[in-house]
Amino acid sequence: DAMVIQNPRYQVTQFGKPVTLSCSQTLNHNVMYWYQQKSSQAPKLLFHYYDKDFNNEADTPDNFQSRRPNTSFCFLDIRSPGLGDAAMYLCATSLPHTGPKETQYFGPGTRLLVL
Amino acid sequence: GNSVTQMEGPVTLSEEAFLTINCTYTATGYPSLFWYVQYPGEGLQLLLKATKADDKGSNKGFEATYRKETTSFHLEKGSVQVSDSAVYFCALRSGNNRKLIWGLGTSLAVNP
Repeated sequence: DAMVIQNPRYQVTQFGKPVTLSCSQTLNHNVMYWYQQKSSQAPKLLFHYYDKDFNNEADTPDNFQSRRPNTSFCFLDIRSPGLGDAAMYLCATSLPHTGPKETQYFGPGTRLLVL
Repeated sequence: GNSVTQMEGPVTLSEEAFLTINCTYTATGYPSLFWYVQYPGEGLQLLLKATKADDKGSNKGFEATYRKETTSFHLEKGSVQVSDSAVYFCALRSGNNRKLIWGLGTSLAVNP
């Protein structure tokens, strides 16, 4: 089945220690998104890629970076995690249309714990 | 600006009860509307969507109708099951903007 895959499902890191979260997709979608979701809150968009074109949200901290080496993979790098960065991180993909055909499909998420 | 307002939870129902979760929106133009479901500890799954006025989205017994006159997209199910216990998010996307605008989510607990 075509899908969005996130590994690992749970990631533990230390305060200030860089961490990378991974997302891959078999849907061959042009657009990939990273969201942060804190407990009992709606997802918050951090940034997205349209092919190799990176689009950062204005309020995303500089501590969060992303890489997309090819269509299938996208990485979220947190350069110096703080306690406030503990959250569920969700990856999503979509086709490039911006009309009614565009729907975002989500992976299962990676829950990040910062000690 | 664009916004989505959902009824506050938690909602607690007995199995086989009727479910309504209200969602209203504010948007320019003709947004696409979505319901996503999040089961405990999981990511988001698209439940249903509607892309124009009077469209009805449906999936797994859930339905929602895009009502432009009332700017609403209420989620309904005739008979809920314990397995429907989850958090439900209403969202919209407007125009050429890829960004989804989310409601705050409504937690549903279904008791046997």
